[in-house]
Formats: sequence, C-alpha cells, structure tokens
Amino acid sequence: DAGVIQSPRHEVTEMGQEVTLRCKPISGHNSLFWYRQTMMRGLELLIYFNNNVPIDDSGMPEDRFSAKMPNASFSTLKIQPSEPRDSAVYFCASRKQGSWDTIYFGEGSWLTVV
Amino acid sequence: GENVEQHPSTLSVQEGDSAVIKCTYSDSASNYFPWYKQELGKRPQLIIDIRSNVGEKKDQRIAVTLNKTAKHFSLHITETQPEDSAVYFCAAGKAAGNKLTFGGGTRVLVKP
Repeated sequence: DAGVIQSPRHEVTEMGQEVTLRCKPISGHNSLFWYRQTMMRGLELLIYFNNNVPIDDSGMPEDRFSAKMPNASFSTLKIQPSEPRDSAVYFCASRKQGSWDTIYFGEGSWLTVV
Repeated sequence: GENVEQHPSTLSVQEGDSAVIKCTYSDSASNYFPWYKQELGKRPQLIIDIRSNVGEKKDQRIAVTLNKTAKHFSLHITETQPEDSAVYFCAAGKAAGNKLTFGGGTRVLVKP
C-alpha cells in the first residue's frame, strides 16, 4: 500500500492567497483526520471524517479553514484567505474505524505563508 | 472528551542509558494507547501500542506499561542509541471509536 498521500509537500504562498491541501487516505480506511503541527501548539486535530461525513470540526481554528471529503479516496483542507500564523505542517491521517489498527500519517504538507 | 498529558517535554540521556516517558489520560473508557516517534522533518510513525487488556508489552528495546486504575501509561527505551533521538508522542483513544488524542510530545536527545 502506498500509505496516506498528501500534496503539495511544500508550499510557500503570500498572505491573502487561497491554499488547498490534498489527501488520499489508505485504501479501505474509512476515517480521515487533518492535523496541524507547530512548535507552539504541538499536534492539533483540526477535523475528522467518518465515511466521508465530518464528525468533529471543533479544532478548526476559524472560518478561514474548511475541509471536504467528496469521496472515500480524497479530501481537501482549504485556507482562504491565508495568514502568516497559518504557517505549519499539516498532516492528513487515516484509520480503519472500529478496528484496533492505529492512525497512519501522511508525509505532511509544509506550508509557509509570507 | 479525552485529555492526555505527557511528561517530560524534553529528555536528555547518555547513550546506553534508559529513557522513560510518562502519560496520563482522563477518559476511563479509552482502551487503546499507541506511541509514535517523529524524526526531524518526518511524519509521526507508530513504534508500539498497547491495549487495555494487557499491562505491559515489549518489542526489543522498547516497552510500554499501562496502569488502568491510575490512568497512566509509560514508554521505556533501554540501551538508548543516537538514532533514538526524536520526538515521541503518546496517544489515547477507543478502538471502537475514531479519534486519538495526542500528548504534547517529548523531545528525546541521546548524547553519544
């Protein structure tokens, strides 16, 4: 299995621009998570989906952030407009709901907003 | 919801010594406790996990212990090596559920 696939791996954008991060979960996994990692706040859960349905988005920092999962093999995290404080590593992860299996992380998208 | 506290935040050990990281959790219904290792610039990767029906699990130089009564679990690394230097995260959750709640991480430095 190719694992969780994220794109882009690195992005540098100017403040005010729209940023879209993409994720393909592991085949057969029906739960998908978006995490943000910074030095100050560590690993934060932003939102997670079960069977393509958003279950908990309480970690989404503000309305500038939105996430979608139109089908079982694709999800996006969008930031519009982006701000310098959004600079972080964004990890997508997936898991098979109801199993003892763990969460598997993608390689991350390194976002810098200047 | 679940809350996971992890200590210490940084740990420096001499090569060959042992390292111990401790975590506490708040939800007594949690029954699955994985540990992740994150090397610099890489993603967190599972190194070992433990379920609530066992008190201890070992894999070579790594061991985890779980005390359900006290709601704490620990990671033990013996005979540390420079390649053990990384950030380690504990997490807690339910196998029947989805969400894992992560601790704040421990930065381990193994000095040669």
